[in-house]
Amino acid sequence: DADVTQTPRNRITKTGKRIMLECSQTKGHDRMYWYRQDPGLGLRLIYYSFDVKDINKGEISDGYSVSRQAQAKFSLSLESAIPNQTALYFCATSDTGTSGLLYNEQFFGPGTRLTVL
Amino acid sequence: SQKIEQNSEALNIQEGKTATLTCNYTNYSPAYLQWYRQDPGRGPVFLLLIRENEKEKRKERLKVTFDTTLKQSLFHITASQPADSATYLCAPDTGRRALTFGSGTRLQVQP
Repeated sequence: DADVTQTPRNRITKTGKRIMLECSQTKGHDRMYWYRQDPGLGLRLIYYSFDVKDINKGEISDGYSVSRQAQAKFSLSLESAIPNQTALYFCATSDTGTSGLLYNEQFFGPGTRLTVL
Repeated sequence: SQKIEQNSEALNIQEGKTATLTCNYTNYSPAYLQWYRQDPGRGPVFLLLIRENEKEKRKERLKVTFDTTLKQSLFHITASQPADSATYLCAPDTGRRALTFGSGTRLQVQP
């Protein structure tokens, strides 16, 4: 089974709908991230969480919210979806390690392709 | 503001040649730099990490250099193969916050 899973893998929705994207991991990592990817713009950080009680905004958090339900679960919500939120969304995890530094590699999920009509 | 630049144009090379990809950054003082590979529609996969006190790092056919004076990292794939065709992302970071990625360079290796 995959270490980082995302559900759903594909979603088409309408403007104004509330959407939740879910991420689960079995790697035992304490850090989790949500990114979106648009053609030509690369990966942009939406939110990240360094542990269950820690939530931080990334560079493009407007219009999004997150919930860290457990160490293994990190959900991304679009309260009222709009067409420019159409993108490929990735969840990622990383481990603090014994040193507590941030340079550990990130492990990505397979992505959720979201289309907002 | 912090900026990461990777060549947005695709790099086309012949099989067997060395591919060289460039990552430039501004307004960063990264303690390390990571490189990832991404195939279409899939999540990025970690390849290599180099620290600021390392000039060069190798892994099989991959070589990464890191010049903190030039604010640049070069990523080389020697004896390239069609299977190396993908988009390669760099991610410099200070070690104090989440990673920020460049937009990537697409490599196409022709047989």
